[in-house]
Amino acid sequence: AQSVTQPDIHITVSEGASLELRCNYSYGATPYLFWYVQSPGQGLQLLLKYFSGDTLVQGIKGFEAEFKRSQSSFNLRKPSVHWSDAAEYFCAVGAVDTGRRALTFGSGTRLQVQP
Amino acid sequence: EADIYQTPRYLVIGTGKKITLECSQTMGHDKMYWYQQDPGMELHLIHYSYGVNSTEKGDLSSESTVSRIRTEHFPLTLESARPSHTSQYLCASSDLTSPTDTQYFGPGTRLTVL
Repeated sequence: AQSVTQPDIHITVSEGASLELRCNYSYGATPYLFWYVQSPGQGLQLLLKYFSGDTLVQGIKGFEAEFKRSQSSFNLRKPSVHWSDAAEYFCAVGAVDTGRRALTFGSGTRLQVQP
Repeated sequence: EADIYQTPRYLVIGTGKKITLECSQTMGHDKMYWYQQDPGMELHLIHYSYGVNSTEKGDLSSESTVSRIRTEHFPLTLESARPSHTSQYLCASSDLTSPTDTQYFGPGTRLTVL
């Protein structure tokens, strides 16, 4: 079964600083990977996804993520954080499992942005 | 942007009441899901559906039930609400033919049972 670990529960960065959120996955085959963002009281919005091809994927709102198979990682990055980026970020891994596709989510990383 | 809707957005209800959380999507997606999310925690899949008349239980045991009579509609019902059901419930959908199974989420229903 697949699993996802987001080691950082809470991160605080200054506005304008760079950001990297970590995500490690465990899965026996090539996974497909997602990053979602959740603002308070809201649902999840898809930031980006990786399925195959270029290991550096671009998403919305200036985010990007890099798939590193050797490290089983899919870290999310942004070069310059804006105050509106404060939210909860979830990494998820997808797989075909006994005919049922499902997403497994990490526990999330809460991002605070200081002015 | 995905078109998936959930009502109500917030619900405060007394113990023992029957409630139905509504979820509908206009994308024609075959697959739909319900997740439960406690504050500050990860999402747990409680129900999913491959299409009309198809429903399955997810990874997290739940006392709720679901139905899928129409493709666009996937309501969740609690016959007798209890304080332990207090949580946020998120509905999602995806295209069965998509290789990546990208899921699109509704805004969620925050349920409080007193």
